[in-house]
Amino acid sequence: DTGVSQDPRHKITKRGQNVTFRCDPISEHNRLYWYRQTLGQGPEFLTYFQNEAQLEKSRLLSDRFSAERPKGSFSTLEIQRTEQGDSAMYLCASSKDRATGELFFGEGSRLTVL
Amino acid sequence: GQQLNQSPQSMFIQEGEDVSMNCTSSSIFNTWLWYKQDPGEGPVLLIALYKAGELTSNGRLTAQFGITRKDSFLNISASIPSDVGIYFCAGGSNYQLIWGAGTKLIIKP
Repeated sequence: DTGVSQDPRHKITKRGQNVTFRCDPISEHNRLYWYRQTLGQGPEFLTYFQNEAQLEKSRLLSDRFSAERPKGSFSTLEIQRTEQGDSAMYLCASSKDRATGELFFGEGSRLTVL
Repeated sequence: GQQLNQSPQSMFIQEGEDVSMNCTSSSIFNTWLWYKQDPGEGPVLLIALYKAGELTSNGRLTAQFGITRKDSFLNISASIPSDVGIYFCAGGSNYQLIWGAGTKLIIKP
């Protein structure tokens, strides 16, 4: 399967713990995006990478959130000191080097903070 | 900030019926896209529109980019059971997409 893959698919954690999600984009895609989605809503943009450079971060991304894409391939999204409000589906998407919005999404990582 | 109004929120239809949903915005977009999301999955792109007035089809799906660049509609003809899911519109400017809240399609047995 050569689609976008995310790991883990599900994560249950206690409030205050740190969690990390990994995304492996489609190999020839230069652009990688992280979105957050809560029930009944569309995805909300969090951050975007062009190769290894993080070019934009949403104001939704508090200081507790950090994302990296060290070699321009896979990416990680870390949430420190999780809060119950962080419970959501975290979606990763990738696209070719054109700003068309034609994103290919992974299946998402569902976070539940108890 | 930018907002998209997507309607209806949900639709109950009979198999075989045609479906129509739309999105409006207070802002202009360069691109309009329609995605479908099944439970527990990420959204999947259905149709991408790049020019104002553009009408594009993908099988039984037809979408149009509004002439004002502030709206788009999606039609599904002769619905089938696998059409159930949540349909999202998204307006694109540069790298970022602004998403509607989705239209949930339910097919009555």
